[in-house]
Amino acid sequence: SQTIHQWPATLVQPVGSPLSLECTVEGTSNPNLYWYRQAAGRGLQLLFYSVGIGQISSEVPQNLSASRPQDRQFILSSKKLLLSDSGFYLCAWATGTGYTEAFFGQGTRLTVV
Amino acid sequence: TQLLEQSPQFLSIQEGENLTVYCNSSSVFSSLQWYRQEPGEGPVLLVTVVTGGEVKKLKRLTFQFGDARKDSSLHITAAQPGDTGLYLCAENPNDYKLSFGAGTTVTVRA
Repeated sequence: SQTIHQWPATLVQPVGSPLSLECTVEGTSNPNLYWYRQAAGRGLQLLFYSVGIGQISSEVPQNLSASRPQDRQFILSSKKLLLSDSGFYLCAWATGTGYTEAFFGQGTRLTVV
Repeated sequence: TQLLEQSPQFLSIQEGENLTVYCNSSSVFSSLQWYRQEPGEGPVLLVTVVTGGEVKKLKRLTFQFGDARKDSSLHITAAQPGDTGLYLCAENPNDYKLSFGAGTTVTVRA
């Protein structure tokens, strides 16, 4: 069966510090991978998605970047965090065939102080 | 860009009551998914609807897709506290993207 791992679960970082969130998927190959950000109690904002190694599509101009160095690894990064980067970050994968049904990780609660 | 509108934003009911939440768009959906999210966790897929007029049931949850595929509803019968959560609809504007509505926060009081 497929599983998705996302870490860390919580993170408190000072303004101006770098960020690296990692997500890995097991049990499937060539998945579509996604990073979303969610404000408290609200919907999901799509930040990046990837349909293959090295292929990244950015949805929203921002202080963040994403990379996919391996087929089942997706990384969200920032060189210098802003207060506005605080939020709940979710990684997800989908099969990429037919209509897209996504399976999510447990999320990372990022607080920039 | 197709916008998904969900209503109401918040819904609080007593255990045993029924509730309906809605998802609407100005454009036709290719397919639509419903997810439920509990606090501090990722959303979990409940159902995917594809055909106009389609009705799917999942225990006490009934999902309906409008005939014109521009709207969908989720009805919960005899709600229980375990139904509490954020209900999100999502659609595929293309083969890769998955876009979400703002969600409806449902609270079922015991």
